[in-house]
Amino acid sequence: AQKVTQAQTEISVVEKEDVTLDCVYETRDTTYYLFWYKQPPSGELVFLIRRNSFDEQNEISGRYSWNFQKSTSSFNFTITASQVVDSAVYFCALLPGYNTDKLIFGTGTRLQVFP
Amino acid sequence: DTAVSQTPKYLVTQMGNDKSIKCEQNLGHDTMYWYKQDSKKFLKIMFSYNNKELIINETVPNRFSPKSPDKAHLNLHINSLELGDSAVYFCASSQAGLAGGSYNEQFFGPGTRLTVL
Repeated sequence: AQKVTQAQTEISVVEKEDVTLDCVYETRDTTYYLFWYKQPPSGELVFLIRRNSFDEQNEISGRYSWNFQKSTSSFNFTITASQVVDSAVYFCALLPGYNTDKLIFGTGTRLQVFP
Repeated sequence: DTAVSQTPKYLVTQMGNDKSIKCEQNLGHDTMYWYKQDSKKFLKIMFSYNNKELIINETVPNRFSPKSPDKAHLNLHINSLELGDSAVYFCASSQAGLAGGSYNEQFFGPGTRLTVL
């Protein structure tokens, strides 16, 4: 089965707190791609990161960082020193294989950052 | 400068009507998609087209018919609209991968909120 699980439906934090959004995926493919997208209250979907299955290096982009661990099939996303503008629904997604177009989304985690 | 654009942004219509949503991308991508996001925010792929050719058709009722006049456009026509069709519909595009699949990131349009009364 190919599946993405985001067990946290909703997370609330106060500004400046660090927060981690969990993502667990399932696939039998050895080559696959993982993505994170952000959907702010305005509704558009914003691409954040793509990672392929052969690259387990963690990535940092400003206050955002991603931890990819094949051993636990997880691709977690951490926001450091959260800000109100980080409030959004965050989706993790899986592209199973390199010859498919079928992006499989998790159910999303709604993050609310309060001032 | 809009990369992926959709029209209209909002669509309110009566049950039984036929409606279309248009999508255009100016990124030069080969592949375009339609997704449906339901009221619980669940996103699911409906169709994908690569160079005007249908690649994915995910168990979508045949009332939904995508049309790709060229690789920069992918329109969605819906016949006999039902209450359950109310959702946000997203168009997306990506550059095709070497092996035919599109493992590159997909860029999404702003969405069309369809409300069927």
